[in-house]
Amino acid sequence: KNQVEQSPQSLIILEGKNCTLQCNYTVSPFSNLRWYKQDTGRGPVSLTIMTFSENTKSNGRYTATLDADTKQSSLHITASQLSDSASYICVVSAITGGSYIPTFGRGTSLIVHP
Amino acid sequence: ETGVTQSPTHLIKTRGQQVTLRCSSQSGHNTVSWYQQALGQGPQFIFQYYREEENGRGNFPPRFSGLQFPNYSSELNVNALELDDSALYLCASSLEYGVRSPLHFGNGTRLTVT
Repeated sequence: KNQVEQSPQSLIILEGKNCTLQCNYTVSPFSNLRWYKQDTGRGPVSLTIMTFSENTKSNGRYTATLDADTKQSSLHITASQLSDSASYICVVSAITGGSYIPTFGRGTSLIVHP
Repeated sequence: ETGVTQSPTHLIKTRGQQVTLRCSSQSGHNTVSWYQQALGQGPQFIFQYYREEENGRGNFPPRFSGLQFPNYSSELNVNALELDDSALYLCASSLEYGVRSPLHFGNGTRLTVT
């Protein structure tokens, strides 16, 4: 069964600090890994997309890494802002019969305090 | 350019009833997918449509069905509602069907089954 596990479940940091969120997966055959940011009551917003051959991808203050051998990914947030408070979701897609089937993690809830 | 819009935003139904949720894709997007997100959980993939054909389905029973119309808008139909169907239903569209196509999510329909 394809699974995506995220840690920590929740995280509280002070504004301006950095943090790293983790994602471990058992999804096969692997197609791509995505990180999303979801504000409360809103739909997720795409942050990064990585395929098997990519091991790092940046989007402003967000940097994602991928180790396809160990099936691990991380999302690093630099110089956090209050607006970074949200749930961060890791999504890993398998390619099956020409279709991309995504498996979502439960998300890490990040709270940034002033 | 309008984003993905979903209607209604909230809905209350009784167990055993049927419900139809609607999604207007972002302009120019030909791929749409639907997700169920229970409270405190990550989204779960229901199915995806590409140019009016279903081309991927998650682990949901047949009472979850859908349609994509020629203008690429979409419907999610759920028959014989159960209490566990209470969730946020998210729709997402993408410009093309591909490994690098980012998903653009709507803000969802909150369904409550009593």
